[in-house]
Amino acid sequence: NAGVTQTPKFQVLKTGQSMTLQCAQDMNHNSMYWYRQDPGMGLRLIYYSASEGTTDKGEVPNGYNVSRLNKREFSLRLESAAPSQTSVYFCASSDGQGPDTQYFGPGTRLTVL
Amino acid sequence: GESVGLHLPTLSVQEGDNSIINCAYSNSASDYFIWYKQESGKGPQFIIDIRSNMDKRQGQRVTVLLNKTVKHLSLQIAATQPGDSAVYFCAEYREWGARGTSYGKLTFGQGTILTVHP
Repeated sequence: NAGVTQTPKFQVLKTGQSMTLQCAQDMNHNSMYWYRQDPGMGLRLIYYSASEGTTDKGEVPNGYNVSRLNKREFSLRLESAAPSQTSVYFCASSDGQGPDTQYFGPGTRLTVL
Repeated sequence: GESVGLHLPTLSVQEGDNSIINCAYSNSASDYFIWYKQESGKGPQFIIDIRSNMDKRQGQRVTVLLNKTVKHLSLQIAATQPGDSAVYFCAEYREWGARGTSYGKLTFGQGTILTVHP
């Protein structure tokens, strides 16, 4: 099992450009999450999907959209990137049955110039 | 508002010493408190959790203590090894949302950098 995979690992964008971050999990988990992590900070939730077919806003959703393509895949889209979105983005998945079941991907480091 | 924060941003110890990482929280309405380890270039990795109605929980080389009176959480690592060098985050976990759309909400603290010297 690969666990949670994310692509790309690194990305540099210019202000106003758009891009989609991809996330996939092979653990048959129901719930998936997108977080951002700024330097020296903990992770903050952007969006989550409690189950296939549902998505909801987290703590910092502005400037982002998500798509739960199927049970395996959960993508994060930046329609018009801004320098404030420079961050490391982590995808996670869980079976929704307790605190020790959120598994995190390796992250995507995004820089917006 | 709710917050979970750390007292010390950095901690340096010698290999073999015991390490103690501290965390203060302000929101008592949580189900669990959790410690995560994050190595450079990787996502957070679950270490240990403690239910909000417990005071102490032990794992392999790690112990978490919860003092609800002063809203304080600590992670003790015994016989610290160079491989323990990482950033450690405390986090609050709550079941959140309506039935059918609920999820595990994690609120992370700022992080402590642990450096273990051989």
